Amino acid sequence: LAKTTQPISMDSYEGQEVNITCSHNNIATNDYITWYQQFPSQGPRFIIQGYKTKVTNEVASLFIPADRKSSTLSLPRVSLSDTAVYYCLVGDNTNTGNQFYFGTGTSLTVIP
Amino acid sequence: NAGVTQTPKFQVLKTGQSMTLQCAQDMNHEYMSWYRQDPGMGLRLIHYSVGAGITDQGEVPNGYNVSRSTTEDFPLRLLSAAPSQTSVYFCASSYGGTDFYEQYFGPGTRLTVT
Repeated sequence: LAKTTQPISMDSYEGQEVNITCSHNNIATNDYITWYQQFPSQGPRFIIQGYKTKVTNEVASLFIPADRKSSTLSLPRVSLSDTAVYYCLVGDNTNTGNQFYFGTGTSLTVIP
Repeated sequence: NAGVTQTPKFQVLKTGQSMTLQCAQDMNHEYMSWYRQDPGMGLRLIHYSVGAGITDQGEVPNGYNVSRSTTEDFPLRLLSAAPSQTSVYFCASSYGGTDFYEQYFGPGTRLTVT
């Protein structure tokens, strides 16, 4: 299963766009890339998932280059309530590998 | 829908005691899993299930047992609690297929073993 590497922490001012990059050099053909958000004392919450190119929803965008060895979560115009830990996960759901591995995540602090 | 529910919210155990952490979901999800999260760390997968009657080990299964007799419930049993099992435990569920990646997490159970 592919391991991921993310920055440990990031700071951003309110209203700015934030890009968090995740490296996953050993990503397998069947692996999807998924991002979760976790607030203190709460369970993680699904943000977005993708396989290749670009995916956008009402919360974020996910950019995946052609080689899929990295991905970038983009949060537009962050607010104080976006302060949280963001996890990048890479995995597949084949019959032999229905597993997710969370790394340590990126702690994002939004500054007023 | 209540989503994923976990009980209890907090629990204190003495070393050697056993207990069961309860997890239930009302979304008819096939996939359920248990994670533990230690302070300042990410989540680590303990056990998971792809359907009733089917369970498998995750990254850190030692000291824990699971069973899945119904689609809705996935209890986690601590056989003989140890201080190293002090952690926050999260249960999660999802559909199969590509929806597997959108997992719904419960609020967590904070366990302290003294």
